[in-house]
Amino acid sequence: DGGITQSPKYLFRKEGQNVTLSCEQNLNHDAMYWYRQDPGQGLRLIYYSQIVNDFQKGDIAEGYSVSREKKESFPLTVTSAQKNPTAFYLCASKAQGAGGNTIYFGEGSWLTVV
Amino acid sequence: DQQVKQNSPSLSVQEGRISILNCDYTNSMFDYFLWYKKYPAEGPTFLISISSIKDKNEDGRFTVFLNKSAKHLSLHIVPSQPGDSAVYFCAASGLGTGNQFYFGTGTSLTVIP
Repeated sequence: DGGITQSPKYLFRKEGQNVTLSCEQNLNHDAMYWYRQDPGQGLRLIYYSQIVNDFQKGDIAEGYSVSREKKESFPLTVTSAQKNPTAFYLCASKAQGAGGNTIYFGEGSWLTVV
Repeated sequence: DQQVKQNSPSLSVQEGRISILNCDYTNSMFDYFLWYKKYPAEGPTFLISISSIKDKNEDGRFTVFLNKSAKHLSLHIVPSQPGDSAVYFCAASGLGTGNQFYFGTGTSLTVIP
């Protein structure tokens, strides 16, 4: 089945620890995105990547890092510098070019800082 | 600054009636608009989209209307069903946004049986 797989679904982190959320897609999409959702708020863009080995900061990139070494993978690291990391994290991808106007999402990952 | 706004956090509708969800945007560079449906603890699923060259797009029970002069779009669901109860997000993108998508804050729809 083609799609976007995020793991883990639920993750607990102690304060001061880094944690990495995985995102893998087999849709052959060039662009990939990480969003964060907080209760009562919309989706806020953390980072996005339009092509392998390239990525750009979104609106709330502070305290996060990403890499894009492979087309199908776009992991997000939540560092200890992120002051309020407890949230629902969503990975998404999009084809480029003609017909590539729609963004598709994974199932999301819940991160809780304890 | 919120470029896409959904001013109604919630909406309740009787089963079988029409649900109308609204969305406003500020950036005139947006030329593609989308609606997503989201259940708690799940990723949003794509519902329907519209290009700025159109003012209406239909897909089954879902119709999206675009009023470019007012920078306003709406999603109509007819007839509404209990399974439609979810949070609905509108999103926008366009030339000059660098492949970014901007989302509203969502409207929680409850369809009452």
